[in-house]
Amino acid sequence: AQKITQTQPGMFVQEKEAVTLDCTYDTSDPSYGLFWYKQPSSGEMIFLIYQGSYDQQNATEGRYSLNFQKARKSANLVISASQLGDSAMYFCAMREGYGQNFVFGPGTRLSVLP
Amino acid sequence: EAQVTQNPRYLITVTGKKLTVTCSQNMNHEYMSWYRQDPGLGLRQIYYSMNVEVTDKGDVPEGYKVSRKEKRNFPLILESPSPNQTSLYFCASSLRFGLASGNTIYFGEGSWLTVV
Repeated sequence: AQKITQTQPGMFVQEKEAVTLDCTYDTSDPSYGLFWYKQPSSGEMIFLIYQGSYDQQNATEGRYSLNFQKARKSANLVISASQLGDSAMYFCAMREGYGQNFVFGPGTRLSVLP
Repeated sequence: EAQVTQNPRYLITVTGKKLTVTCSQNMNHEYMSWYRQDPGLGLRQIYYSMNVEVTDKGDVPEGYKVSRKEKRNFPLILESPSPNQTSLYFCASSLRFGLASGNTIYFGEGSWLTVV
């Protein structure tokens, strides 16, 4: 069973606007971590933001924030004030429990329009 | 500098010719993993390892082998490559224990493999 779902294969957003990339996950472990990564066209994987299952507040890192809705098992990435350099693939990932495996979603390709 | 190093970065090979993609990390991480990335399919896990001599299959292990004889190294072996193994391959590592932003997964730069 797929543990990470990203339902948007591709998204477009106008420069300077905000965009939300969806991620839902499936786990029965009460302890888990959720991660978002960015992959520009050059291919490297860049860590963006992390949310722990016990964290009381939504994570934020600069223009990135994570809209964590635990009951719905969703961990959407919000990018505010989009920039042309935000055009990339974005991957949601999860790690269950302590010392467990990482699993990734299929990714969403974001294109920022000038 | 903390890093995951994989080699080769680019390789064109022929069907059936055994090849090994090396992966090494200098962060003393217990967890290591291999992924392949294909258009429209995202990152799919091939194999992972929780520690030395401990390896497990991921989602797409067929046609691949791995070994973990040392903590720092986790080579990916294609015994008899076929064209459907043409892909971008990533090696990654992480601390095994703890759930915190510092225990994120670190990726190598990727290896572009073409099998003709």
